[in-house]
Amino acid sequence: AQTVTQSQPEMSVQEAETVTLSCTYDTSENNYYLFWYKQPPSRQMILVIRQEAYKQQNATENRFSVNFQKAAKSFSLKISDSQLGDTAMYFCAFTPGTGTASKLTFGTGTRLQVTL
Amino acid sequence: DAMVIQNPRYQVTQFGKPVTLSCSQTLNHNVMYWYQQKSSQAPKLLFHYYDKDFNNEADTPDNFQSRRPNTSFCFLDIRSPGLGDAAMYLCATSRGGWEGADTQYFGPGTRLTVL
Repeated sequence: AQTVTQSQPEMSVQEAETVTLSCTYDTSENNYYLFWYKQPPSRQMILVIRQEAYKQQNATENRFSVNFQKAAKSFSLKISDSQLGDTAMYFCAFTPGTGTASKLTFGTGTRLQVTL
Repeated sequence: DAMVIQNPRYQVTQFGKPVTLSCSQTLNHNVMYWYQQKSSQAPKLLFHYYDKDFNNEADTPDNFQSRRPNTSFCFLDIRSPGLGDAAMYLCATSRGGWEGADTQYFGPGTRLTVL
């Protein structure tokens, strides 16, 4: 069974600053995918960024980038130039690279507050 | 806009009284998922449908059932809700067939209260 651990229940960052959210995972799978999802207050969860385990290059999406360390089973999210709209709960998630459906295992989340 | 819709957004039921939560999608995705998210906890997958094929998670209680009458709709039935079933229930969809690479699209959730 896979586990996903997010050790930072809450974080705060000032607008325009950079913040890094941590995630570690445990799996015996060799092929898998990692995700960061964002859940704003009272709004639906949306995908922020995705990483394929077989790719060494770290994924980036505009202000969002990851630091994927496969050997260490670490998958952190960096948010640059933080904006007030980034305030949300952030979930790290894992799915094995097998099967026809992506069955996500989520971490417990990090609540990020962006302040003026 | 194509989307995932959940009704109702808030549901109150009594202990032991059956309740049904609804999810619909306009994305024409093959896969539909139901997650349970308790307060301050991670979403937990209950089951999913790939087309008409039902896939239950091993630790999902028998009290939870699901129906998918067509591609667009999926229902979560809780036969005898207990106080411990109070949670946010999230529906999600994905295209399917991508060996785990799918992006899941989530609905806004239904918050269930059990009195």
